[in-house]
Amino acid sequence: GAVVSQHPSRVICKSGTSVKIECRSLDFQATTMFWYRQFPKQSLMLMATSNEGSKATYEQGVEKDKFLINHASLTLSTLTVTSAHPEDSSFYICSARDNSAGWVNQPQHFGDGTRLSIL
Amino acid sequence: QQQVKQSPQSLIVQKGGISIINCAYENTAFDYFPWYQQFPGKGPALLIAIRPDVSEKKEGRFTISFNKSAKQFSLHIMDSQPGDSATYFCAATGGGNKLTFGTGTQLKVEL
Repeated sequence: GAVVSQHPSRVICKSGTSVKIECRSLDFQATTMFWYRQFPKQSLMLMATSNEGSKATYEQGVEKDKFLINHASLTLSTLTVTSAHPEDSSFYICSARDNSAGWVNQPQHFGDGTRLSIL
Repeated sequence: QQQVKQSPQSLIVQKGGISIINCAYENTAFDYFPWYQQFPGKGPALLIAIRPDVSEKKEGRFTISFNKSAKQFSLHIMDSQPGDSATYFCAATGGGNKLTFGTGTQLKVEL
């Protein structure tokens, strides 16, 4: 099955640090990747949609200068949390969708998430 | 109109019983309805999905029932096992757009 690898799985760092999270599709090419944020016992909140070779589309209320997304290849998207503060602490999850098969509703496959803790 | 309402918020089922989780949507443009299973500290994993041209889909112990006229769909887990204890999310999407998730159901299967 389709595998999405997310790295690192856990980050603990000081306030003011920038943190980069990688999301890779291991056995398929992902033209579209998604970044979510999840708070404890809550649902997934979509932050942004990234398409390979173009700028990411951010959801309303998500600061694009705070959460930098780069989708430079068909298998890699990165999320950089710039100048992170304690309120940015959360569980960040990426997903990838393979549209190459021609079916517009190919399922999204999720990574295992990154637990970000800002001290 | 983009909401997907999910119930119950939590569910306790005895081993061997049937777990039932319900979802309702409003956007008639939705045409793909996946269910995801999430264990603590992990990302969601696709469990089963359905398109609105069928009323039921079964994969092993998991069944989706779909009622297009009522704009409702549900997940049934037959012969529930302790290993099924997890959080379950329904979702919906249309036209290849972003997923809209339900609020999640925390399932606990007791021995």
